[in-house]
Formats: sequence, C-alpha cells, structure tokens
Amino acid sequence: GAVVSQHPSWVICKSGTSVKIECRSLDFQATTMFWYRQFPKQSLMLMATSNEGSKATYEQGVEKDKFLINHASLTLSTLTVTSAHPEDSSFYICSAWDSRYPNQPQHFGDGTRLSIL
Amino acid sequence: DQQVKQNSPSLSVQEGRISILNCDYTNSMFDYFLWYKKYPAEGPTFLISISSIKDKNEDGRFTVFLNKSAKHLSLHIVPSQPGDSAVYFCAASFNFGNEKLTFGTGTRLTIIP
Repeated sequence: GAVVSQHPSWVICKSGTSVKIECRSLDFQATTMFWYRQFPKQSLMLMATSNEGSKATYEQGVEKDKFLINHASLTLSTLTVTSAHPEDSSFYICSAWDSRYPNQPQHFGDGTRLSIL
Repeated sequence: DQQVKQNSPSLSVQEGRISILNCDYTNSMFDYFLWYKKYPAEGPTFLISISSIKDKNEDGRFTVFLNKSAKHLSLHIVPSQPGDSAVYFCAASFNFGNEKLTFGTGTRLTIIP
C-alpha cells in the first residue's frame, strides 16, 4: 500500500538555526500534502496545505515566513523552520492522499520530533 | 476554537470488555469523520471512517456511530485487547480523501489485562 516517509525522525539543534523536514510519498504521486504540528498532550493542528507547483496555503496564525513549504515535485514536500526557537519544538507530521485509491483516507508519515535548545 | 472535541482525556477498560470513545463537533458542514490510533513519536494510523449520510459503520472489532442531530460520534471497540492501548483521535473533514483534517483533542485508552 501507499507509504509516506518523513525525514529526519528526530532533530536537535541550537536556537537560531533553520531546519528542513522532508515528506515523501514513496510509491504514489501527491499533488497535495498536509503539514500538521502536535505539541505534547495536545491535538494535531493543521499548519498548511502544500500544493505541488504552487504556493502553500497556511492556516490562520501560522507564519508563512517562518515555516517555509516547498512542494517541488509530486512526491516531495519540504517544511523548513527558519530561525528556530525553543517554542518551535514540537512534533511535525505530514500526510498525503493516494488518488489511485479514492476510498482510502490520507496516509500519515511517522513524524519528526524537533527539539530546539 | 476547537471544532472537534473529545471530552474524556483518558479511559481505562478491562480486557475483553467494550471500549467506547466519544467525540463531539460543532461544524455541521463536516461530511466525513475518521478515527485514528496514535502511539507516541509516530504518525496516526487510520482505523475507520464514516460518511455523514450514514449512522453506523463497522469493521471487525471497530464500529463507529454517528448522530448528526447531536453532532456526536463514538467509536466502539469490542472486545478490547491490550494492543488497543494508545491515544485515539477523531477527525473531521469537508470531503473524503484529499481534504484537510480537523482533529479532536485525543483520548488515551488503557486496556487493563
């Protein structure tokens, strides 16, 4: 079945650095991918919708200049957290839908745990 | 504005018994509802879904019930097994498939052997 892969699974970095997270659909093409964020013991909150070949659509309250999304191909979307600070520490998860199987829901990656020191 | 809510943050159930997880929503425009199971540091795993035109959907040990007038859905797991221990999220969307999901706050289910 369809698989969504995220990389890296865990990253620790210093405050002020930028971090790039990749989301790949391994055996299908995804014109749309979704990026979610989960803080400890909280719900998954949609950050943005990533559209292949066009600009991402950000949810209210999400800074587009801080969370850069690039969906350059039909199998890859990247989320770059620019000038990361401790409050950006969270669990970031992407999802994608395989249009070959319209009766199946979105598939989620295993997430990326980001820790900013 | 939490459009999807799970009012029970945790639930403990004896192995073999029925687990009932509840979810309420406020937006009547939601058309599809889904339940996901999640372990720490992993992505959500899809369990079962239901369209707003139905009131029940069953898949093995999992059954989802939808009460549109009450804007309420529930997930029944029977019989409950130790491997069912996880955090369960309900989610809602305006369409199925390629549509953003609005997640509930989650319920931690613990199955007691």
